[in-house]
Amino acid sequence: GESVGLHLPTLSVQEGDNSIINCAYSNSASDYFIWYKQESGKGPQFIIDIRSNMDKRQGQRVTVLLNKTVKHLSLQIAATQPGDSAVYFCAENIQGGTSYGKLTFGQGTILTVHP
Amino acid sequence: DAGITQSPRHKVTETGTPVTLRCHQTENHRYMYWYRQDPGHGLRLIHYSYGVKDTDKGEVSDGYSVSRSKTEDFLLTLESATSSQTSVYFCAISERTGGNTIYFGEGSWLTVV
Repeated sequence: GESVGLHLPTLSVQEGDNSIINCAYSNSASDYFIWYKQESGKGPQFIIDIRSNMDKRQGQRVTVLLNKTVKHLSLQIAATQPGDSAVYFCAENIQGGTSYGKLTFGQGTILTVHP
Repeated sequence: DAGITQSPRHKVTETGTPVTLRCHQTENHRYMYWYRQDPGHGLRLIHYSYGVKDTDKGEVSDGYSVSRSKTEDFLLTLESATSSQTSVYFCAISERTGGNTIYFGEGSWLTVV
């Protein structure tokens, strides 16, 4: 989907398909990245993280890819399930010093999984 | 859940009144944060704390103050609430050792009328 004004990008998939959610980050100095999942009425939930010395990291059903050359991050969800429906945020950070914990969040992508 | 409790979870208040939101953690993490979430702006850092009585400003700190007198509690105060402070407020915690993964609470919905 496309982002227009205040509308978040959307991704609709069928149950069982693989999903890919993309994120362009802003600061070339960022060296730590996190993906969060947020369900309606709840706080962001940690999914997976990756440091800039890696270009790929795998978790349970999820994979994060990092391309520092073009400042791009992606989250791949395998065998997407209806329970994966949520808003997904990427966040970037510079580790160490006074920037510790100061995450900068992307706008988010709405994932809808159809049974 | 990451052992974070926010209170109140929902509050409606009038313009000009003071409001305090409380964050309580049971993880003994050193770092605590307050974020606000608004449509079109995502999550933005208000204030954070790197230890008892050690706090600093974030991206959108105007109109807010914080206090941390104990490791487990981080208070966010709106001295005189305005309608622009209607938002969802999230507390977060992190422990520096081994990385800086940040875990969020369930949120406090504040409406200023």
